[in-house]
Formats: sequence, C-alpha cells, structure tokens
Amino acid sequence: GAVVSQHPSWVICKSGTSVKIECRSLDFQATTMFWYRQFPKQSLMLMATSNEGSKATYEQGVEKDKFLINHASLTLSTLTVTSAHPEDSSFYICSADGVRYGYGYTFGSGTRLTVV
Amino acid sequence: GENVEQHPSTLSVQEGDSAVIKCTYSDSASNYFPWYKQELGKGPQLIIDIRSNVGEKKDQRIAVTLNKTAKHFSLHITETQPEDSAVYFCAALASGGSYIPTFGRGTSLIVHP
Repeated sequence: GAVVSQHPSWVICKSGTSVKIECRSLDFQATTMFWYRQFPKQSLMLMATSNEGSKATYEQGVEKDKFLINHASLTLSTLTVTSAHPEDSSFYICSADGVRYGYGYTFGSGTRLTVV
Repeated sequence: GENVEQHPSTLSVQEGDSAVIKCTYSDSASNYFPWYKQELGKGPQLIIDIRSNVGEKKDQRIAVTLNKTAKHFSLHITETQPEDSAVYFCAALASGGSYIPTFGRGTSLIVHP
C-alpha cells in the first residue's frame, strides 16, 4: 500500500516557539493533503486542506496565521505551529489523497506535540 | 454537507466472536467508503474500502457491506483477536475530485482474551 511519512513523531517545545511538521507521500503525487488535529478519545478534526501550488483552505475556527501550511511540491506538505502555547498541545495527523491511484486516503503516523 | 453517524461508540467482545460496526451517511453523492483502524498513539490505517458500485467486499477476516438505498455501510470482523483492539473510523466521500472525507466519531473495539 501507499506510504505517507510524517515527521517528527513527537516533539516538545517551549511556549512561544514554532514547530514544523512534515508530511511526505512516498509512493504517489498528492495534489491534495489534509491536516487533522485529534484530541484524546475523539475523532479527527479537519484543520485545513493543503493544495499543491496554492493557498491552503482552512476550516472555520482554525487560525491560518497560527497554523501555517505550505504545499510546495506534489509530495510534501508542511504544517508550522507558530508561537506555540500549551493549548496547542495535541496529536496532529496528515493524510494524502491517493484515491486516483487506488490508494485511498492514506494517513501519516501522527505527531504528538507538547508545548511546555 | 455530508454527515456520518457511527455506532456503537464502544464495543466489547470476547476473542473469537464477531464484531459489527455500523455507519450511516446523508449525501447520496458519496461513492467511496473507507474504514480505518487507529491504534493508540498512531495514525489511522486504511483496512478496507468499498465503492458504491459494489455491495460487499471481503479481505480475510474483515468485510464491509454497503446499502446505497438505505445509505448505510457496515464493518464486519470475524474471529476477533486481541490485536484487533483499536479505534475504528468509517468515512464517506464523493471521490473523483478534491472532496473531503467525512469521518464518523469512531468505535473503540475491545477484544477480551
């Protein structure tokens, strides 16, 4: 099956600093990637849709200036959490749209962000 | 927009029993229905999917059924094993464009040895 690589798997940062999370599709070109946030024992909350070569589309209530998304190539999307605060601590997961290749929507392994 | 309801939220079975998780969707345009298994601390993993032109699909101990008329689809796991314990999510979307999958709230499956 398809592989979506997400790094880092976990990160601890100080309040006020920025953290970048990378999401790479290894087997196919993903024109569309998604970024989710997941709280404990809850479902996936879509944060934004990342489109290669254009601006990301953010869901209502998600601050685009705080969660910067860049999709500069067909295999890489990045999420940068700027000026992180403890309330940003969460599990962040990306997925890539590989439906046209028969791979479905493939998820990365997730990033556990802890802001101290 | 699409709305996906998933039941039950928690399912506890004995090893060897079968487990069934049900989802309903609202948008008749949805034509692709994947199921994901998420283990603690990991990203969801696609375990099986079905398209609207098929009524049933099997992969070893896992099967998915789809009733387009009633707009519901189900995941069936037979001969459950402790390693099947995880959270399972269903999703629905209209593929073919940059449509966004809508996920159910998840089912926590616990298989007791």
